[in-house]
Amino acid sequence: DAGVTQSPTHLIKTRGQHVTLRCSPISGHKSVSWYQQVLGQGPQFIFQYYEKEERGRGNFPDRFSARQFPNYSSELNVNALLLGDSALYLCASSSGASDSYEQYFGPGTRLTVT
Amino acid sequence: AQSVAQPEDQVNVAEGNPLTVKCTYSVSGNPYLFWYVQYPNRGLQFLLKYITGDNLVKGSYGFEAEFNKSQTSFHLKKPSALVSDSALYFCAVRDRSSASKIIFGSGTRLSIRP
Repeated sequence: DAGVTQSPTHLIKTRGQHVTLRCSPISGHKSVSWYQQVLGQGPQFIFQYYEKEERGRGNFPDRFSARQFPNYSSELNVNALLLGDSALYLCASSSGASDSYEQYFGPGTRLTVT
Repeated sequence: AQSVAQPEDQVNVAEGNPLTVKCTYSVSGNPYLFWYVQYPNRGLQFLLKYITGDNLVKGSYGFEAEFNKSQTSFHLKKPSALVSDSALYFCAVRDRSSASKIIFGSGTRLSIRP
């Protein structure tokens, strides 16, 4: 079975630009979460979606937005990119919405903002 | 507010020796606790979780963790380390009694020498 997939693998953008990152969850998983992992730190929670509804949001500015599609795939959008947005962006899926479910992570998208 | 601490940035162990990676947490209610492992250029992989019940939790690859409520700890252990266990380990906590977000620790790099 395919795991969580993310695209693109790497991305280089310029300050002020916009970026869209994509994630496909494990088949049958209806919950998708997004994380930002800065080098040397643990992942920080950005969003969780379940059944196309936003279920949770971390402490990130409104420049960050996301959505989930009917096939449960998801997009993370970041507007007006800053140098500090450079990070590994991880997508994770789980089979349910409960907080007790473990998450399965994709390989991530490495975003570099210059 | 909830928090999680991994007090050791790096743990070095000889192959065949037991290993412990420490994690302490702070939540206002009862926690869900998780351990994840990250190999170079990969996403996080789930190792084990504590939800309720037996304080000793067994997980993947021979790892186990003990939930200690009085010491608010959830240390990861393995009786005999392998070189292939070398990776970055993250502890994560979620307060089950509130609509809280999952918090990851800063990570501990485990290095197993042959």
